[in-house]
Amino acid sequence: GAVVSQHPSWVICKSGTSVKIECRSLDFQATTMFWYRQFPKQSLMLMATSNEGSKATYEQGVEKDKFLINHASLTLSTLTVTSAHPEDSSFYICSARPRAGKIANTIYFGEGSWLTVV
Amino acid sequence: DAKTTQPTSMDCAEGRAANLPCNHSTISGNEYVYWYRQIHSQGPQYIIHGLKNNETNEMASLIITEDRKSSTLILPHATLRDTAVYYCIVRTGANSKLTFGKGITLSVRP
Repeated sequence: GAVVSQHPSWVICKSGTSVKIECRSLDFQATTMFWYRQFPKQSLMLMATSNEGSKATYEQGVEKDKFLINHASLTLSTLTVTSAHPEDSSFYICSARPRAGKIANTIYFGEGSWLTVV
Repeated sequence: DAKTTQPTSMDCAEGRAANLPCNHSTISGNEYVYWYRQIHSQGPQYIIHGLKNNETNEMASLIITEDRKSSTLILPHATLRDTAVYYCIVRTGANSKLTFGKGITLSVRP
């Protein structure tokens, strides 16, 4: 149980275009989802926290107009990288906190999505 | 959330126990200790968490000192697939986020 799935696993897009990454909790409802970014040989950096039905809370230094987050349901959050540039190339990882139950104290991560902007 | 300190890396032989230390000397009474690991190019995997009692599950054991200022993650019989970066994270509660440090790179050798 507690499976989080991301799609796509990897994507290549042209500079200036937008790309959407989906994060789904497959077997639980998630009130809160988190989006991270990880550059090679670095640790995960939290970008934003999203709660179902409300606006995301962005970490300092993360542009909310560039990284659009939508958490429309209890099982789906999306991250859209708008007007992507090569420096946005990174490993994007989502995570989700279950709404209730014995696993509610734990956060579970997706497999990650590799974005390459050319 | 309190900060954690971990060695940069360690290695162990396959089949032996791997003991991964973590210092969290500023931990407060309502903060939990969580362990995750990240195998190369994958998302982090939850391992275990605890407050003050020792915990064990099918993956590992977590030993927390009585003063709660440090803890040790124990993988009882390390395999090559346990090679990963292991993150020790202190978290206030169910509503708080996870902040990752640099973690410790565990290399399991044949």
